[in-house]
Amino acid sequence: NAGVMQNPRHLVRRRGQEARLRCSPMKGHSHVYWYRQLPEEGLKFMVYLQKENIIDESGMPKERFSAEFPKEGPSILRIQQVVRGDSAAYFCASSRGQGALGTDTQYFGPGTRLTVL
Amino acid sequence: AQSVTQLDSQVPVFEEAPVELRCNYSSSVSVYLFWYVQYPNQGLQLLLKYLSGSTLVESINGFEAEFNKSQTSFHLRKPSVHISDTAEYFCAVQETSGSRLTFGEGTQLTVNP
Repeated sequence: NAGVMQNPRHLVRRRGQEARLRCSPMKGHSHVYWYRQLPEEGLKFMVYLQKENIIDESGMPKERFSAEFPKEGPSILRIQQVVRGDSAAYFCASSRGQGALGTDTQYFGPGTRLTVL
Repeated sequence: AQSVTQLDSQVPVFEEAPVELRCNYSSSVSVYLFWYVQYPNQGLQLLLKYLSGSTLVESINGFEAEFNKSQTSFHLRKPSVHISDTAEYFCAVQETSGSRLTFGEGTQLTVNP
């Protein structure tokens, strides 16, 4: 039973390029979360999506960042015109979305390490 | 809003010694509490969680954590660590009415022979 898959595991971009990070949730999971870990910091919530819906994007930077979770295929975190400050580890988590909140455990992927040159 | 403080960024210990990783949180609403562990080059794995009921929760690999509401703490303990416990440990909170997790900055536990 595959866990949460993220690819690529490492991504190098030059300033001004676009970065696309992919997340395939666990089988049977319809909820996806994205978190960012800047160097020397803890994980920070970015966005929470269900299939074809953004539920909570209060942690997303206002510009250049977008996320989607289409009906078919993985969730995509897209960063346009990357800057050096975007260098970080980006983690995706998924959950079933069933049961009372708090008992809906989030399972994390291995992360994508983005380096902006 | 919530915040989580992990008081030690690095904790080195010798094998078979006891260990405590400290976590304090701040929140104006009720929260659930979690400890996640991250082994090198892997994603975060849920270690244990407190939702309600008994304030002492245990994991399958010998860790335990105790929820202390008056001190707003959720410290993680293990009476005897193994080298394989070397990893980064993250404390997290979640509003009982919400879904996002708020994490501390992590504690790197290094177990030496």
